[in-house]
Amino acid sequence: AQSVAQPEDQVNVAEGNPLTVKCTYSVSGNPYLFWYVQYPNRGLQFLLKYITGDNLVKGSYGFEAEFNKSQTSFHLKKPSALVSDSALYFCAVRDTLYSGTYKYIFGTGTRLKVLA
Amino acid sequence: EPEVTQTPSHQVTQMGQEVILRCVPISNHLYFYWYRQILGQKVEFLVSFYNNEISEKSEIFDDQFSVERPDGSNFTLKIRSTKLEDSAMYFCASSDQENTEAFFGQGTRLTVV
Repeated sequence: AQSVAQPEDQVNVAEGNPLTVKCTYSVSGNPYLFWYVQYPNRGLQFLLKYITGDNLVKGSYGFEAEFNKSQTSFHLKKPSALVSDSALYFCAVRDTLYSGTYKYIFGTGTRLKVLA
Repeated sequence: EPEVTQTPSHQVTQMGQEVILRCVPISNHLYFYWYRQILGQKVEFLVSFYNNEISEKSEIFDDQFSVERPDGSNFTLKIRSTKLEDSAMYFCASSDQENTEAFFGQGTRLTVV
């Protein structure tokens, strides 16, 4: 069965510092991996994805993520955090092995707080 | 930019009543989903829908729940007899292929009293 773990409930970082939000996954086949951001009382907004190819993927608002197959990780990163990056971040996975399974499985979310 | 739209944004209903949550997915998308989120916490999968039928459903999606795509544009979630624990934010999402991201609506906040 597919699953996603986000080990940190909250990450605090000072504005201007680099940030990392961790995600590990478990799937039977090859994973499709996604990061979403949620601002208060809003829907989930897509940030970036890994499907195949380069392990480092770049997305919206200066975010990037690195796919590491051996560590089954897909950590979200940004070189310089902004206060406006403060939000709830979700990692999601889709398993490619089973035909007929199209669902995205989400982690429990990590609240990012960027301090001025 | 195309978007998924959901109505209503907020629904208050009495326990035992039926509710219908409505969604208009992005027009050329083929895969449709309902998720729910309780108190801004975990995003839980309810059901996926493809080729005019349910492709997968979770344990949460019991006999009280049903989905329909009645007219080729709307995608609805019906809860037949609501319970207090159904109170949550319900999100509709759609995607166009298996290897692409899902686009989410802004959600319907359901409050069961």
